[in-house]
Amino acid sequence: AQRVTQPEKLLSVFKGAPVELKCNYSYSGSPELFWYVQYSRQRLQLLLRHISRESIKGFTADLNKGETSFHLKKPFAQEEDSAMYYCALKGLSGSARQLTFGSGTQLTVLP
Amino acid sequence: KAGVTQTPRYLIKTRGQQVTLSCSPISGHRSVSWYQQTPGQGLQFLFEYFSETQRNKGNFPGRFSGRQFSNSRSEMNVSTLELGDSALYLCASSSGLTGTEAFFGQGTRLTVV
Repeated sequence: AQRVTQPEKLLSVFKGAPVELKCNYSYSGSPELFWYVQYSRQRLQLLLRHISRESIKGFTADLNKGETSFHLKKPFAQEEDSAMYYCALKGLSGSARQLTFGSGTQLTVLP
Repeated sequence: KAGVTQTPRYLIKTRGQQVTLSCSPISGHRSVSWYQQTPGQGLQFLFEYFSETQRNKGNFPGRFSGRQFSNSRSEMNVSTLELGDSALYLCASSSGLTGTEAFFGQGTRLTVV
């Protein structure tokens, strides 16, 4: 079975401070990992995926297979980053191909 | 291109009734997945359809069913509604290929009274 854990339901940081949203997963194979974001009154949208190794809106996430983690980081948080963030895992075959989401972390960036 | 469209946006039903929700995917997308979002359980996978075939199913009772039409539009049906079925139901479409992004609709807010 595949599982995603986001230990923090709520996270508050001040503008300009670094931010790290934690995500740990369990999956026996090689997963695809994603971060999705939901801004207030907007639909859920993809922020980034591990296979692209990209930085979006200043956010990066590195897959650490040893620690089974995919933490989301940004060196300098902005107020517009306030949103709900979901880590998600997708297996590569069979019943594991579904997207499994963590419970989400509500990030608030304070002025 | 137009995004994923879900209708209706809001629904109020009474216990015991049934409901049908609709999802129109992005043009060209052949995969449609459905999720239930609640404050207590978060986002939970219901099922995925690809080219009119159910490819994957989550851990929900048989009261939850779905189908996909030849134009990739999908419907989700919940029979014998229970209070606990109150949730935001999200639909996501993708091309269905490995590594491709899922695009979400705005959701249908179902309230069971």
